[in-house]
Order: sequence, then C-alpha cells, then structure tokens
Amino acid sequence: KQEVTQIPAALSVPEGENLVLNCSFTDSAIYNLQWFRQDPGKGLTSLLLIQSSQREQTSGRLNASLDKSSGRSTLYIAASQPGDSATYLCAYMNRDDKIIFGKGTRLHILP
Amino acid sequence: DAGITQSPRHKVTETGTPVTLRCHQTENHRYMYWYRQDPGHGLRLIHYSYGVKDTDKGEVSDGYSVSRSKTEDFLLTLESATSSQTSVYFCAISDPGHPNTEAFFGQGTRLTVV
Repeated sequence: KQEVTQIPAALSVPEGENLVLNCSFTDSAIYNLQWFRQDPGKGLTSLLLIQSSQREQTSGRLNASLDKSSGRSTLYIAASQPGDSATYLCAYMNRDDKIIFGKGTRLHILP
Repeated sequence: DAGITQSPRHKVTETGTPVTLRCHQTENHRYMYWYRQDPGHGLRLIHYSYGVKDTDKGEVSDGYSVSRSKTEDFLLTLESATSSQTSVYFCAISDPGHPNTEAFFGQGTRLTVV
C-alpha cells in the first residue's frame, strides 16, 4: 500500500525559530512531490512542487528537499512567524497519476 | 489563484437521497480529482479523471460515482447518501504532462448527511 507519513503530527514553536517538517513515502517511483498549506476550514494552498528529477525548491522563507532513494522530503521554514500557523500537507503523484497525501503536521507558532 | 470552483459550498441532505457535487475549472487541465477529508484520515482519493469520459477509482470509491462529459466539469454523485459520507469534499486539478504543473484545489464542499 502506498503511504505517506508526516512527522511530527503537531508542533508548537516560538516565533523566529527555524523548523523542519518531515515527510516519508513508500513509493520509489514518484512523478513529483508537493507541499501544501491548509488553514482551518479552508482549502489547500500549494507551497512548493518538486519534480522527481529535482532535489529541492525554494520560495521565500520556504525550502523543500526531495530524496527519492530514501523516500523522504523535508520542508524547512526559516524565521517562523505567527502567520505560518496552519496544517502542512505533503503529497506525491505516483506513476498512475494519483495524488497520495499524508495526514499533515499541525504547526502553531507562538507569538 | 487557479480557476477551480466547487458547488455547492455547503449542503445538508437526508439519508438515502442522491446528492451531486460539481467541480468546474477554467484552466483546461486534463486531470481532475475528488477527495474527502475526515479527521484522523486526512485526504483520501475517491475518484479521478484523466480526460473526458475517462475516470478511475480511488481508495474510497464505494457509494460514489463520477462523470466527466466535458473538460471543465467533474461531477461527484452520492447515489444514496449515508451518514458515513458526512465529510468535506475537495476537488483538485492537475496536468502532469506539463513541467512544473502543480495540483490546485477548490475551496471544498461541506456535506452533512442527517
């Protein structure tokens, strides 16, 4: 069964800290991997997309890496802010073009 | 923001009634997906479509059917709604054949079956 595991399930950190969210997947034949943000009661907002041939992508304070051989991706958030509080979801597209999601990490940035 | 619209945004229906949710896109993306999101389960794929009239099942397809008669519309039908189908439903679009094409999501439909 194709699975995505996100650790930790929840995280609270003081404002200003750098932090890392982890995502691991069991399928080695992925097409791409994407990180999303979801605010309570809202839809999903795409943050970063990494193609299978890429190792990382950066957008502002966010950096995502991909290691297909170990089945891992990380999302690095620099200088965290209270507005970063949300649930962060990792998902990959497999070779059947299905998008498989993890259960997310609930992030709370303390002012 | 990607042009993807779900309707209705909220619906309350009675057990045993049929319900149809609509997803409309203006991006001309080939792939469209229906997910449900439930506490403790995350997002689970119900059905997806890879072209007009081309659909396939996801991991939780029982009790659901879909139709795609044109590129921009993907309909999800609950043939006879049950309380276990109370959930938030999300539609997504993607176009894997184009480099760097992200998946985009609609705002969701909150369905309550009473």
